[in-house]
Amino acid sequence: SAVISQKPSRDICQRGTSLTIQCQVDSQVTMMFWYRQQPGQSLTLIATANQGSEATYESGFVIDKFPISRPNLTFSTLTVSNMSPEDSSIYLCSVWTGQNTEAFFGQGTRLTVV
Amino acid sequence: ELKVEQNPLFLSMQEGKNYTIYCNYSTTSDRLYWYRQDPGKSLESLFVLLSNGAVKQEGRLMASLDTKARLSTLHITAAVHDLSATYFCAVDKGSGALTFGGGTRLMVKP
Repeated sequence: SAVISQKPSRDICQRGTSLTIQCQVDSQVTMMFWYRQQPGQSLTLIATANQGSEATYESGFVIDKFPISRPNLTFSTLTVSNMSPEDSSIYLCSVWTGQNTEAFFGQGTRLTVV
Repeated sequence: ELKVEQNPLFLSMQEGKNYTIYCNYSTTSDRLYWYRQDPGKSLESLFVLLSNGAVKQEGRLMASLDTKARLSTLHITAAVHDLSATYFCAVDKGSGALTFGGGTRLMVKP
């Protein structure tokens, strides 16, 4: 299994500002992902964080709005840029360690934009 | 594009009753997950189903996977109030990237 530490756990931000969310894993992992869960909704994959290269974004998500870094195999950041109230969501980091294992999720970051 | 449909979206049950949640998906995958989410919390992994015909049970919950029909079920036996939560199925698109169903909000009434 993998233990994931996600920071901050929650934040209230002013519109127009940016927030960077950190995801730290206790072991090296093959794949890291970022998801968004809007209020009362399911989870949607934002992007795959690639180690040493640009993230791979899903349809509807762009790098300018959600820049992602992954400098090594245990750490990634997601930035929510130029925030608006519509960005109020839970953002979750997920990792996958290999073919015969499962996907693990962090505790999430609850973001409120006012 | 992979689509995952879950039904029902809302389920109100009496304690002691049985019910099944269904998860249909549109393209081939051999890895399916079931998660539980309590209000304000992250996801709790319930089951990982890795092959056709896989069946797993934990307490009052049993999950199965039919990859040919592209269908998974989560069966609840003799529901208790503590099972009240939202349940999600998620299909692996490849290498751990998941597409989630819409979720089933389960309410078990005492």
